[in-house]
This record gives sequence, C-alpha cells and structure tokens, in this order.
Amino acid sequence: AQSVTQLDSQVPVFEEAPVELRCNYSSSVSVYLFWYVQYPNQGLQLLLKYLSGSTLVKGINGFEAEFNKSQTSFHLRKPSVHISDTAEYFCAVSGGETSGSRLTFGEGTQLTVNP
Amino acid sequence: NAGVTQTPKFRILKIGQSMTLQCTQDMNHNYMYWYRQDPGMGLKLIYYSVGAGITDKGEVPNGYNVSRSTTEDFPLRLELAAPSQTSVYFCASSYGVSSATFFGQGTRLTVV
Repeated sequence: AQSVTQLDSQVPVFEEAPVELRCNYSSSVSVYLFWYVQYPNQGLQLLLKYLSGSTLVKGINGFEAEFNKSQTSFHLRKPSVHISDTAEYFCAVSGGETSGSRLTFGEGTQLTVNP
Repeated sequence: NAGVTQTPKFRILKIGQSMTLQCTQDMNHNYMYWYRQDPGMGLKLIYYSVGAGITDKGEVPNGYNVSRSTTEDFPLRLELAAPSQTSVYFCASSYGVSSATFFGQGTRLTVV
C-alpha cells in the first residue's frame, strides 16, 4: 500500500516569487510519482511525472520537481509564479509496473498567487 | 479529440433515488477509473477497470457499481443515493502504468 502527504494545504505567494509545494510519500515498492493541477471547475491535468532516471523532472508551465528517494519526497517548484498559476495541486503515486496504474492522491495544496 | 467525456455535469438527487453517471473516452485506453473528490480529501478511487469486461473495487466502492462492456464506456451506478454521496465525481483513463491519466470535467452531485 502507498500513501501521499502534502504538507501544506494552502500556499499564498506574491506574483513573480518562487514557490515550493511539498509532497512526501510512503510505499513498500518502487513507485511512479506525479503532480497534477486542477483549475477551478475543471478536471485534473498532468504537470509532470517521475518514472526513473534523472531525479529532476521538468513539466509544463515552468514547473519542475525533484525526486529524493532517501527522504521519500517529490517537491514541486517554480522559480517565478504568475497569477494564472492559482489552482489546486495534487501529488500522486502509483505502484509502478508491479502494482498497476491506480493513482493514490494527496489531499491537495491550494496555491494562490496574489498581485 | 474529445478525451474523457462525462455526463451530466450537475445533478441533484433525492435520498433513495438512483442514477448512472456516464463516462466515455475516445483514446482507446484500456485503463479507466472513477474517483470522488471531497473538499480537503484529495481524490479517492471508487472503481477501476483494466479492460473491457474487467472491473475491480477501489478504496471507497460501497454504494456504487460499475460495468465495462466496451473499451470506450465506463458508467458508474449509484443505487439508493445517500447524503454521504454528495461529491464531485471524476472519470479518468490511461494507456498504461507509466502514462498520464486523463480526467473528465467532473460531475457535481448533490443528494438531498
């Protein structure tokens, strides 16, 4: 079984400031890690994913995340945010090749970018 | 390319009523899922399917049923609606274990 903890439920930042959204996971098997974004009244869309290889992964809209196996973390970062980045962000884990494609989600982090 | 399409977008049910949430995808994905989203709780998996004719329970299956007669369609049935089923429901699909999961726009259900 796996679980995901997003350490901040709300993150307010000013426009053009850097931001980090924190995610820790636990699993007894190798996992795949994902970040999804949800804009108001919409479904989720993929920002980026880590499967294997380089621990720094780049996604859409200037976001990146770093996989840290020893700390079981997968924090999401952006060096300079825009008003349009205001949304809810979800970290998710799947069990990889051995455990299938079902995603386990964290509780979400609401990012609010203020002018 | 429509992706994952859910209907209806909104619905109000009375306690004890039944309904089916429709979901169809046009990406020829084998994997399909139903999640519910409650405020501050993230998304919880209700049921999933790895291919036509195959379904299995997720984390919160009680009060729901599914079927998968075709690759494209994965309807979710609510029998005897209860207030605890008030939620936003998302249908999703994916190609494989390392692929992105694509989500529909959601169905906002209120049970009164």
